[in-house]
Order: sequence, then C-alpha cells, then structure tokens
Amino acid sequence: AQKITQTQPGMFVQEKEAVTLDCTYDTSDPSYGLFWYKQPSSGEMIFLIYQGSYDQQNATEGRYSLNFQKARKSANLVISASQLGDSAMYFCAMREGTQGGSEKLVFGKGTKLTVNP
Amino acid sequence: DGGITQSPKYLFRKEGQNVTLSCEQNLNHDAMYWYRQDPGQGLRLIYYSQIVNDFQKGDIAEGYSVSREKKESFPLTVTSAQKNPTAFYLCASKTVGDTEAFFGQGTRLTVV
Repeated sequence: AQKITQTQPGMFVQEKEAVTLDCTYDTSDPSYGLFWYKQPSSGEMIFLIYQGSYDQQNATEGRYSLNFQKARKSANLVISASQLGDSAMYFCAMREGTQGGSEKLVFGKGTKLTVNP
Repeated sequence: DGGITQSPKYLFRKEGQNVTLSCEQNLNHDAMYWYRQDPGQGLRLIYYSQIVNDFQKGDIAEGYSVSREKKESFPLTVTSAQKNPTAFYLCASKTVGDTEAFFGQGTRLTVV
C-alpha cells in the first residue's frame, strides 16, 4: 500500500496567487516526520519544510506553510504569492518509525506545479 | 564545503554489465539512502542504511546491491539482474531523527 499519496499529477496557478498541494499519508506509528521537497528541472532536491507528528502548530518557512491535519492524515503544502521560479515538481515525504529508530524515508509520486505569468 | 557527492553525473552501461554508482558525504550523517526516479515519477527507495555495516532493503531492492563499510560512503551496484536500469539515481543522507535529508546531484544511468 502506498504510504504517501499525492493525488494531483499537475497543478496550475497564476503568479502572485496561493496554491495548495495535497499530500496524504498512511502510518500506524505514533512518531513520524513529514517533509516537502522541490525538484526543479535541473534535478536537484531542495528541502522546503518539515512537520513532526507531535508538533502542535503548523510549520511555516517563508512563503511555505504546511497544513497538518493529523486526524485526516494529511499534510498539504501551501505556497503563498506564487512566483515563476516556483514552477517545479513537489514531493511529499515521510520518515517512518520511532525517532531514533527506523530512518526509512519514503516519497510520494509528486505534483508538477506550473506558475503562469 | 560540506555536502554529498555523487559520481559520475552521466553513466552508460552495456546490457548485462554490473555498474557501481558512487555516493560520498562529509556531513557526518549516520543515515544514507538510494532512490530511483523514472521520468515524471516520484522517488522510489532502493536501499537505506542507518549505521555502518548495516543496511535495509527499500521498496525496489531487487537487482541492486549496496555496502556501507565507511560512514561517509554508500555505493550502489546495479547488477545485470536489474531488468530496466535506465533511470535517474539519487543519493541522500541525514542525521538520525527528524531532520531534512540532503541530496546529491544525481547520476543518470543509461543502458545502451
């Protein structure tokens, strides 16, 4: 069974608007971490934001915020004020396992975001 | 500069040959990973290692082998048993716990 599900293969947004990229996860472990990465066409992986399963508040990093809904097992990425440079693939990932235990890190299939001028 | 280095960037292999992809990090990270990425697809976990001399199979380990003799190094061998090896391979490392993983620049392997 898929551990990380990203249901949007592609998304389009107008420059300066906000966009939400969906991510749902599946785990029975009470301790886990959720990550979002950006992959431009160059292929490099750029870390954006992290949310721990015990964190009470949603994570924010500049224009990126993570809408963490634990009961729904969702960890959506919100990008505010989109820029042309935001056009890229976006991947949701989960570190599964007890902190200090398993370090297995799995990724979703990704969402291709295109920002239109 | 600290970082994670993959080499080579491009690699061509004849069918039936084994090939080894290099991954070295000087970040003092305990955990290291190998992922495979096919065009337009996500990253699929091949192998990962949390400590020296120990590694675990990921979701698509068949046809691949790894070693972790040193903390800094986690080479991946693509064997002739891997039926469709042409792909983009990414290596990553991280400290134990909830920290980001750092990625190398990737190796694009093509079977000719």
